Amino acid sequence: VIWMTQSPSLLSASTGDRVTISCRMSQGISSYLAWYQQKPGKAPELLIYAASTLQSGVPSRFSGSGSGTDFTLTISCLQSEDFATYYCQQYYSFPPSFGPGTKVDIK
Amino acid sequence: EVQLVESGGGLVQPGGSLRLSCAASGFTFSSYEMNWVRQAPGKGLEWVSYISSSGSTIYYADSVKGRFTISRDNAKNSLYLQMNSLRAEDTAVYYCAREHTSTMTTVTVGAFDIWGQGTMVTVSS
Repeated sequence: VIWMTQSPSLLSASTGDRVTISCRMSQGISSYLAWYQQKPGKAPELLIYAASTLQSGVPSRFSGSGSGTDFTLTISCLQSEDFATYYCQQYYSFPPSFGPGTKVDIK
Repeated sequence: EVQLVESGGGLVQPGGSLRLSCAASGFTFSSYEMNWVRQAPGKGLEWVSYISSSGSTIYYADSVKGRFTISRDNAKNSLYLQMNSLRAEDTAVYYCAREHTSTMTTVTVGAFDIWGQGTMVTVSS
């Protein structure tokens, strides 16, 4: 089983800020990582897969980087609709697993 | 429009059973691997089960193995989850989710590009 951590667990930010969320693995997973955004009462939405590939339709202010054990999701200029919880997911080994989440709220 | 719509959730007593359904539309359902993912109230996401496009390959999380059964009917564009011997810890929103074809591997389940709106399952006496 691969253990995953995300930091911070809560991030307070303002519209226009550059925001960075970290996801760390207990073992290397190459680039088999996805990022999701989830708003309250809604299903998660895929933002990025293969660590850095933007899913179709996702705004370019979202970007992902990293490989091995350390990954980052960056929102270059936070918009009001970006306040949400973000999860990373590894799909390198079975079972697929998700990080505990990072909530981005309004400062 | 590509869409997944779950149904079948509700309140059930511990030890009881429930069958969830997921209706797919807007894409060729029979060409895609499908999954169930759940989220307990106020908690994170947990993958539950996977079924290949033909239904020939099935995986379960250890937490539900032996109690839950995933199936599909490609003629009806539908995915199912039969849940037996339900426990309080199975209380969650259950999402059906499509596997992203660009993330498929031979070792595990990939990422999920389309999700339903979810159906709530509450296990309580």
